[in-house]
Amino acid sequence: GAVVSQHPSRVICKSGTSVKIECRSLDFQATTMFWYRQFPKKSLMLMATSNEGSKATYEQGVEKDKFLINHASLTLSTLTVTSAHPEDSSFYICSASSGQETQYFGPGTRLLVL
Amino acid sequence: AQSVTQLDSHVSVSEGTPVLLRCNYSSSYSPSLFWYVQHPNKGLQLLLKYTSAATLVKGINGFEAEFKKSETSFHLTKPSAHMSDAAEYFCVVNPTGTASKLTFGTGTRLQVTL
Repeated sequence: GAVVSQHPSRVICKSGTSVKIECRSLDFQATTMFWYRQFPKKSLMLMATSNEGSKATYEQGVEKDKFLINHASLTLSTLTVTSAHPEDSSFYICSASSGQETQYFGPGTRLLVL
Repeated sequence: AQSVTQLDSHVSVSEGTPVLLRCNYSSSYSPSLFWYVQHPNKGLQLLLKYTSAATLVKGINGFEAEFKKSETSFHLTKPSAHMSDAAEYFCVVNPTGTASKLTFGTGTRLQVTL
């Protein structure tokens, strides 16, 4: 149980385009989802927290107009990187929680912006 | 405020020998503590968690951890390392017991040699 999927697993895009990443909880209802960014050989950096049906709460320094988060249902959250640039290239990981203390992580999405 | 310190950035063991990955925490509350493992280019997998029940917690793949309040430690151990254990390990604190922001350690890379 407690499986979280992400799609796509890897994406390459041109600079200036937008990319959408999906995060799904497959066997539980995720009232809260989290989006992280991980740089090479580093720990995870929380970007934002989203509760189903509410606006996401962004961490300090994260541009909410650049990283659009939608959590429209209890099993799906999306992260859209708008007008992507090479510095947005990274490994993006989502996690999901049913409201308790444990977060279950997705397998991650590798984004490369050319 | 809470923090997590993983005392070793890199640990190398021989296959079949014990594993010890050290973690110390500080928290203003009675925290929930987790160990996650991350294999290259993958998401985080939950190994085990402590949530104020038994202080010795058994997880998957033969790992266990002991919560020691007096030492504010939550070290991860395994009696006999396997090659497949080579990965990055993160000690994580959730201070509130709900779906809230996690505090991550900086990670320990475990290398297993023949």
